[in-house]
Amino acid sequence: EIVLTQSPATLSLSPGERATLSCRASQSVSSYLAWYQQKPGQAPRLLIYDASNRATGVPARFSGSGSGTDFTLSISSLEPEDFAVYYCQQRSSWLTFGGGTKVEIK
Amino acid sequence: QVQLVQSGAEVKKPGASVKVSCRSSGNTFTGYYIHWVRQAPGQGLEWMGWINPNSGGTNYAQKFQGRVIMTRDTSINTVYMELNSLRSDDTAVYYCAREYCTSSNCYADWFDPWGQGTLVTVSS
Repeated sequence: EIVLTQSPATLSLSPGERATLSCRASQSVSSYLAWYQQKPGQAPRLLIYDASNRATGVPARFSGSGSGTDFTLSISSLEPEDFAVYYCQQRSSWLTFGGGTKVEIK
Repeated sequence: QVQLVQSGAEVKKPGASVKVSCRSSGNTFTGYYIHWVRQAPGQGLEWMGWINPNSGGTNYAQKFQGRVIMTRDTSINTVYMELNSLRSDDTAVYYCAREYCTSSNCYADWFDPWGQGTLVTVSS
């Protein structure tokens, strides 16, 4: 099973700051990686698929990069609605999720 | 606009079974894979498997093989996830989610949209 390790576990930032979230895979997943956002009491929402493609309706301040084993989700300037938990997911071998990164207001 | 609407919360005793439904509205039901993902309280996401509503074909995560059954009823645009031999650590919110589609492509293993979730509590 491919294990996805997300870091940091918690990111404390202020609105307007840049957020950089990391996802590392235990073996190469090529570009078969997605990012989801989940707010309290809500279902997750797809943000990025195939490592760098924004899903429909996702603001341009969200961007994804990486391939192989190292991936990054960047939020260029945090809006109040961006404070949430973010998960990465791979589909290279079966389907697994990372443990999540919580982006909280500093 | 596609919507997935799930059945309500359940409370079950250890050893029992639970069957959660997920109804699709607003699109051609049989054309899209439906996945099930669960989330224990305060924990991350765990993929359980998928069903192809067109063929009825399924693929289950190894962890759940032998304990989960996914079925569908195309006449009412609904898929079901049944989990047997429930344990306390099966307490979780269970989500259905459809494969993600753009205007030109569908991606079987990315998930969007999602249902609202169904809380299953296993307690004696």
